[in-house]
Amino acid sequence: TQLLEQSPQFLSIQEGENLTVYCNSSSVFSSLQWYRQEPGEGPVLLVTVVTGGEVKKLKRLTFQFGDARKDSSLHITAAQPGDTGLYLCRHNQGGKLIFGQGTELSVKP
Amino acid sequence: DAGITQSPRHKVTETGTPVTLRCHQTENHRYMYWYRQDPGHGLRLIHYSYGVKDTDKGEVSDGYSVSRSKTEDFLLTLESATSSQTSVYFCAISEFRDSKEQFFGPGTRLTVL
Repeated sequence: TQLLEQSPQFLSIQEGENLTVYCNSSSVFSSLQWYRQEPGEGPVLLVTVVTGGEVKKLKRLTFQFGDARKDSSLHITAAQPGDTGLYLCRHNQGGKLIFGQGTELSVKP
Repeated sequence: DAGITQSPRHKVTETGTPVTLRCHQTENHRYMYWYRQDPGHGLRLIHYSYGVKDTDKGEVSDGYSVSRSKTEDFLLTLESATSSQTSVYFCAISEFRDSKEQFFGPGTRLTVL
């Protein structure tokens, strides 16, 4: 099983700060998804990245897929309390849908 | 929002008792999944279904069984619950097996005492 390592595991910041979370593997991804999960709810898809070097933006969130397609990052600019949640990366390995363990983000007002 | 409901939303039970969790969808998606979520482990696949009466094991299937008698319903059964099965259980659906998007239900919090 191709593991997905996410870092950091926990992140607590003040409103207005910037942050980056990472998703890494030793193997190449065909594609990678980022999900966000709010407390008490199921995960919701944010974005899919497919091409090496690809950058996608979703308002204050910037997603990047590594050139070698072995890693991905999520950067949040000027974080807000509403960004609080668990951020999960996921990929499809031969039909098996593998999730990373997640980064738990807390943004304090 | 995708039409996925889970029942019950919360359950407390005792070790050794059988438990059945239900997932119901109104999207007519072919694929349905059961995951468990535990701190530090992310989401781990228990079982999935690729059609009525067609199911397969995931990475943590021991102690769990599933059934799908109708497209819209996917049941997860713990034949004899253990404390290690205390977790939050999520159902998900997708239109295709290699679909990049899964839609998740709201989760069931199960506590086994």
